[in-house]
Amino acid sequence: AQSVAQPEDQVNVAEGNPLTVKCTYSVSGNPYLFWYVQYPNRGLQFLLKYITGDNLVKGSYGFEAEFNKSQTSFHLKKPSALVSDSALYFCAVRDGTRRALTFGSGTRLQVQP
Amino acid sequence: DAGVIQSPRHEVTEMGQEVTLRCKPISGHNSLFWYRQTMMRGLELLIYFNNNVPIDDSGMPEDRFSAKMPNASFSTLKIQPSEPRDSAVYFCASSLDGTRGTDTQYFGPGTRLTVL
Repeated sequence: AQSVAQPEDQVNVAEGNPLTVKCTYSVSGNPYLFWYVQYPNRGLQFLLKYITGDNLVKGSYGFEAEFNKSQTSFHLKKPSALVSDSALYFCAVRDGTRRALTFGSGTRLQVQP
Repeated sequence: DAGVIQSPRHEVTEMGQEVTLRCKPISGHNSLFWYRQTMMRGLELLIYFNNNVPIDDSGMPEDRFSAKMPNASFSTLKIQPSEPRDSAVYFCASSLDGTRGTDTQYFGPGTRLTVL
């Protein structure tokens, strides 16, 4: 079975400060990891994904994520947060044998001006 | 290029009525997914299709739910009869080739269903 944990329901950060949204996963086999963002009353927007290779993945809107195999983590990061980054962030995982994504419970990011 | 299109965006109905949600995937995508989002259960996969064929419907809650994909550009999710506990946001997503683990799913804006 595959699973994802997002341990923080909410993350608060001041504008201009770095942000981290945490994600840990469990799969059998090689993981394929994804981050999505959801703005109010909108669908999920794809941010970035890890397939293989470089452990640091760069994505949209200045976001990046670091894959750590030994810690089974895939934390989302941004060097300098914007108020407009405030949204709900979802981590998702899939192994090579399954076609369905398993999503975490989501983390609400609040960036204060 | 248009993204995934869903209709209606909002639906309010009374218990016992039939509800039909519609989805048009991104042109050229071979896989289509239906998800449900609620506060209590988060995002749940209901069913997915590959090349118009249902591959896994184990997430469909019960017989009241059914989904079809008559062609590559259209899918429906039907609830009959609807119940208040079906109230949720229903998302459709599509991807180029769902058989590949690396495939990215692209989501539509969702349909917010309220069953009174």
